[in-house]
Formats: sequence, structure tokens, C-alpha cells
Amino acid sequence: ETGVTQTPRHLVMGMTNKKSLKCEQHLGHNAMYWYKQSAKKPLELMFVYNFKEQTENNSVPSRFSPECPNSSHLFLHLHTLQPEDSALYLCASSQDSEGGTYNSPLHFGNGTRLTVT
Amino acid sequence: KQEVTQIPAALSVPEGENLVLNCSFTDSAIYNLQWFRQDPGKGLTSLLLIQSSQREQTSGRLNASLDKSSGRSTLYIAASQPGDSATYLCAVRNSYSGGGADGLTFGKGTHLIIQP
Repeated sequence: ETGVTQTPRHLVMGMTNKKSLKCEQHLGHNAMYWYKQSAKKPLELMFVYNFKEQTENNSVPSRFSPECPNSSHLFLHLHTLQPEDSALYLCASSQDSEGGTYNSPLHFGNGTRLTVT
Repeated sequence: KQEVTQIPAALSVPEGENLVLNCSFTDSAIYNLQWFRQDPGKGLTSLLLIQSSQREQTSGRLNASLDKSSGRSTLYIAASQPGDSATYLCAVRNSYSGGGADGLTFGKGTHLIIQP
């Protein structure tokens, strides 16, 4: 049990489908992140939420849409994906202070392995 | 833009050896540096976190050092075991001159195999 739970573990979807990835953290953290891990590339930061507000969007295509309804839950809504979007999608959380202290470690879930056919 | 490089990309050593994994980063304006372990098909497990004001951190057989001014970190693994086989990732948390931070910037990792 990592404290960060992602579902589903595996997902296969067609290019015209709509699906959602879910992340839940049980650590009482106030910041959550989506990362993409593709073969032979470093983990890429996609979205950051601090205190439920999106603070970063690293030029991610609009076919990826994040949602953070509360500080414990994070979703990634997917629609009309491309085969090159196939990757491991990792969720993470951390505890950051409102005063601007960013010294806490990130905790990761086990990821969702996405295959787009 | 921050870039993180890890050397070597892969390493295979006999059980019992001590080994060093290297990480370098281009921008020294960081809050901290974190080392992770990733097993095949799994997420990341945090091993050690070094704050920018610290020089090293230790946990069991692991010791991580940080030289922020030169943009370097090392992860030392003592008395390696087959269970240490995994991919080891280095990541830095960048700071902004106006305050604030984003997520971590990662290297590509070192794939480590410990031979029984």
C-alpha cells in the first residue's frame, strides 16, 4: 500500500473512446500531480494541483483534461487519444505549505498502463 | 530549462559490491533532490530526499550526497544485493526566483542489475 492509489492498473482504449484515470491519496496531502512515463524518456510532468487549484499545465494537448474535485482525488479524462499517448501514467502527491515551502517528498502511485489502439 | 542526466544508463555488478550512481543537473536553483527506485511495471518508491541546504542523507545501506553548486548528486549503495535490482531515478524540485515551485524534473534513470 503506497498511500496513493491509481485505478485502473491497465487500460486499453480505441482512439475514439472516452475514459478516465483515477487517483486517490490517503496521506492528507494538499498537492497532486500527473506524470507521463514513456519508454526511453524521462518522466514528464503534465499537471500540478496545489490546494485544488491547477498551477501548472506543461503544454499538454487538450485531449487530456485533469479534474481535482478535492484534495484527495485527482482524475485525468481522456478523449480521442493517439497511439503515441500509450504510456504509464503516474499520479503523485506531496504536502506543500501555503507559505511557499516545497521541501516535502513526492509520493507516487503504481500507475495506469495505457494502451491506445 | 532544467535538465537532469544520470550516468551510467545501465549497470550490472556481482552481489556484495559497493556501487555509485551519478546524477547531474544544469540549474542549481532547486529546493531539493530526491532519489527513487522503480521496479518493472510499478510506480516509484522514494528512497532519499536531500534538501538544498544539506550535503547528504543516509538510510540503511543507501547514502546520497548533494553538491548543489556543481549540480551533482551521487547515490551510494553498500553491499549490494539481488533485491536491489531496479531502475534508480534522480529528480530535482526546481525553485522560481519569484517564489513557488513545480513538480520534479527527472533523469532517465540507471537500470541496475545485481548478479547473485
